[in-house]
Amino acid sequence: ETGVTQSPTHLIKTRGQQVTLRCSSQSGHNTVSWYQQALGQGPQFIFQYYREEENGRGNFPPRFSGLQFPNYSSELNVNALELDDSALYLCASSFRTGALETQYFGPGTRLLVL
Amino acid sequence: KQEVTQIPAALSVPEGENLVLNCSFTDSAIYNLQWFRQDPGKGLTSLLLIQSSQREQTSGRLNASLDKSSGRSTLYIAASQPGDSATYLCAVKDDYKLSFGAGTTVTVRA
Repeated sequence: ETGVTQSPTHLIKTRGQQVTLRCSSQSGHNTVSWYQQALGQGPQFIFQYYREEENGRGNFPPRFSGLQFPNYSSELNVNALELDDSALYLCASSFRTGALETQYFGPGTRLLVL
Repeated sequence: KQEVTQIPAALSVPEGENLVLNCSFTDSAIYNLQWFRQDPGKGLTSLLLIQSSQREQTSGRLNASLDKSSGRSTLYIAASQPGDSATYLCAVKDDYKLSFGAGTTVTVRA
C-alpha cells in the first residue's frame, strides 16, 4: 500500500504568478483534502474533494482552486500569488467513513513567494 | 466556528519525564479528535484517533483522553525520550474537515 505523495517538495515563485501543486492519494482512498500551514501555526483547511466534486471549502479566496481526477489524485491551483501564500501545503487522503475516518497526510510542498 | 487551543505552546523536559499536552475546543459537535506529530519541515503523522463516543485511546507509551462535554483532550507520553522531540498537534473533525490547534513544541533533553 503506497502512502500519500506530493510534488514538488519545494517551489519558489514571484508575486502575481500561478502555481499548481500535485497530490497522489493513498491506494483505496476516495477523498482528498488540502491544508495550508503558515510558519508556527496549525494547518488551515482549504477545501476537500470527494469523488471528483468539491465537498467543502474553508475561508480561502476563489483564486485557490482544485481538481480531483478519476484515479483520485488531486491538484491545488493558486492564481495571482501573494506574499502571504508562502506556506507548507499539505494534502491528506481518506476513505469517507464518518467518525472512523482518518486522514493520512503527505509530506507537503513548501511554497515561497518572493 | 470551531476554535482549537493548545497549551503550552512549548515544553522542555529531561529524558524520562512524563509529558502532558493539553488541547481544548469550543464546539463539542465533533466526529473525532486526532493527535498528530510533526517533525520540522515535514508532514503530519497520525498518533491516535479518539471517536466522539470514546473516552480514551492508547498506543504504546501514548495515551489520549477526550472529554467532549467540556471540550478537552489530553495527550500523555510516558517516559519521554529525545526521539519524542517534535511538534504535537491536535485536530477535531466535523463532518468533513479537520480544525487544528497551533501545536505544542516538545524538546526532550538527554
